[in-house]
Amino acid sequence: GAVVSQHPSWVICKSGTSVKIECRSLDFQATTMFWYRQFPKQSLMLMATSNEGSKATYEQGVEKDKFLINHASLTLSTLTVTSAHPEDSSFYICSARSTVHWGNEQFFGPGTRLTVL
Amino acid sequence: GENVEQHPSTLSVQEGDSAVIKCTYSDSASNYFPWYKQELGKRPQLIIDIRSNVGEKKDQRIAVTLNKTAKHFSLHITETQPEDSAVYFCAASANAGKSTFGDGTTLTVKP
Repeated sequence: GAVVSQHPSWVICKSGTSVKIECRSLDFQATTMFWYRQFPKQSLMLMATSNEGSKATYEQGVEKDKFLINHASLTLSTLTVTSAHPEDSSFYICSARSTVHWGNEQFFGPGTRLTVL
Repeated sequence: GENVEQHPSTLSVQEGDSAVIKCTYSDSASNYFPWYKQELGKRPQLIIDIRSNVGEKKDQRIAVTLNKTAKHFSLHITETQPEDSAVYFCAASANAGKSTFGDGTTLTVKP
């Protein structure tokens, strides 16, 4: 299957700072990338859908000015958590998809554990 | 939008027994139904998926069945092993659409 990487795997930051998380599709071009947030013992909650070269589509209740998504190329999407607060601490997971090759199948990154002090 | 309900939330079985997890969905346009296994702190891993043009798919000890009329699909694991212990998520999506995930089932296989 396809490989998706995510960096960093974990990050600890102070309240009020910004954190950038990268998601890369290593061996395929992703038409779409998704960003999820997962709290302990909960399901994956979709935050936004990102298509290369266009603005991300955010889910209801997700602040687009706080969670900035950039999808600059077919292999890279970034999520920036701006002015992070302790309640933003969570496991952030990206996924990538190429409908041309694999239809609706998504390939997940390994996740980023964010802890805001 | 799509709504996916998953049951049970927890499931405990003896090693060697079978485990069944069920999901229902609401959007009749959904046509892709994957199942994921997620171990603590790791990414979800696709274990099996089914598309709406088939009713059943099997891969060794794992099988998925789909009833489009009733809008439900199920994961069946036979001859369970302790390493099958994990959280399992179902999901549903329509063509090129986003996926909606169930709330997850924590499966514990007791040796």
